Amino acid sequence: QKEVEQNSGPLSVPEGAIASLNCTYSDRGSQSFFWYRQYSGKSPELIMFIYSNGDKEDGRFTAQLNKASQYVSLLIRDSQPSDSATYLCAVPSGGSNYKLTFGKGTLLTVNP
Amino acid sequence: KAGVTQTPRYLIKTRGQQVTLSCSPISGHRSVSWYQQTPGQGLQFLFEYFSETQRNKGNFPGRFSGRQFSNSRSEMNVSTLELGDSALYLCASSPSNYGYTFGSGTRLTVV
Repeated sequence: QKEVEQNSGPLSVPEGAIASLNCTYSDRGSQSFFWYRQYSGKSPELIMFIYSNGDKEDGRFTAQLNKASQYVSLLIRDSQPSDSATYLCAVPSGGSNYKLTFGKGTLLTVNP
Repeated sequence: KAGVTQTPRYLIKTRGQQVTLSCSPISGHRSVSWYQQTPGQGLQFLFEYFSETQRNKGNFPGRFSGRQFSNSRSEMNVSTLELGDSALYLCASSPSNYGYTFGSGTRLTVV
């Protein structure tokens, strides 16, 4: 099993809809989880981090964490065309919070 | 506040040569990490430095090395370049373990 897995997509949603992005991880000892957004030709940008079970909301973004199921998700409400990007899930690995393992990313397209 | 600065932005090298990439972290950020990004493998961790010490290392051959200076600036070096080393090399810095800020990257092409 890969350490961090994401559906590669592409995930296509209409403008205004909720986009749901999922990520599973294999290291049960992981304590914190990060979501990055990467526009084509640009570097990754941190948009959310979560370290407690449950939900964390920031504007239109909600991160959800379920440690028992080793599952973290990102919901984007009222999706906008400007949200079209690749979303990367990152999980600390190897017992260090400073060594991130990234999923391959999910390409999200929001159609006007 | 200046972001993470990487130089150069683009590089073309020949197989067998070596290359040095530079990274200046955000002021006050002491942890600096390096990643390689390719279309096939995605983002892969190379190494992480804190206070001039390498704390973490990824699964890359010894041709890949790095260092950090007392002002937190970091360099990575790749010796004996191979075609497969062509990639976007990203540097990221963090003040803590709550996420890294990435630089714009150095696009290395090995011919």
